[in-house]
Amino acid sequence: DAGVIQSPRHEVTEMGQEVTLRCKPISGHDYLFWYRQTMMRGLELLIYFNNNVPIDDSGMPEDRFSAKMPNASFSTLKIQPSEPRDSAVYFCASSSGTMLYFGPGTRLTVT
Amino acid sequence: GIQVEQSPPDLILQEGANSTLRCNFSDSVNNLQWFHQNPWGQLINLFYIPSGTKQNGRLSATTVATERYSLLYISSSQTTDSGVYFCAAPLSYQLTFGKGTKLSVIP
Repeated sequence: DAGVIQSPRHEVTEMGQEVTLRCKPISGHDYLFWYRQTMMRGLELLIYFNNNVPIDDSGMPEDRFSAKMPNASFSTLKIQPSEPRDSAVYFCASSSGTMLYFGPGTRLTVT
Repeated sequence: GIQVEQSPPDLILQEGANSTLRCNFSDSVNNLQWFHQNPWGQLINLFYIPSGTKQNGRLSATTVATERYSLLYISSSQTTDSGVYFCAAPLSYQLTFGKGTKLSVIP
């Protein structure tokens, strides 16, 4: 298996622009998680899905953030409009209920 | 939610030395995991260890769930072991991560 795949790996955008991050989980995993990592706050869970259904989005910082999982092999995290404080590494991870597997992350820089 | 505390926050080792990293958690768990974040930022799972002891090469982990702690042992450390080690405990299926132990192994 190729593992969890994320794209793009790096994203630089200007404040106010829309940003879409993409994730393909490991085949057969029924849990998908979006995490954000910053120096100040460490690893934070933003939202997670079970069988494509959002279960808990209490970690989503504000309405500018939205996530979807239209099918078992694809999820998106969208930020609209983006702000400099959104700069971070965004990780997608998947699981079958036990061990968590992370993707390589997307490093987002908002100028 | 569950609190996860790791110690020490920083650790510097000479290559070949052994070390023990600790993770305390505030509530009963049925899922405790250890991860290594290498200097390039990649997060790699090391152990899924809700209880007992597991070994993988030079690494081993022990979780004593009744006392709410887990230990990660690194033996004969190598420079490639450098990075940040995280433990994570769940609230339902959501893993809460500790702040990590930053390990630097010097040749």
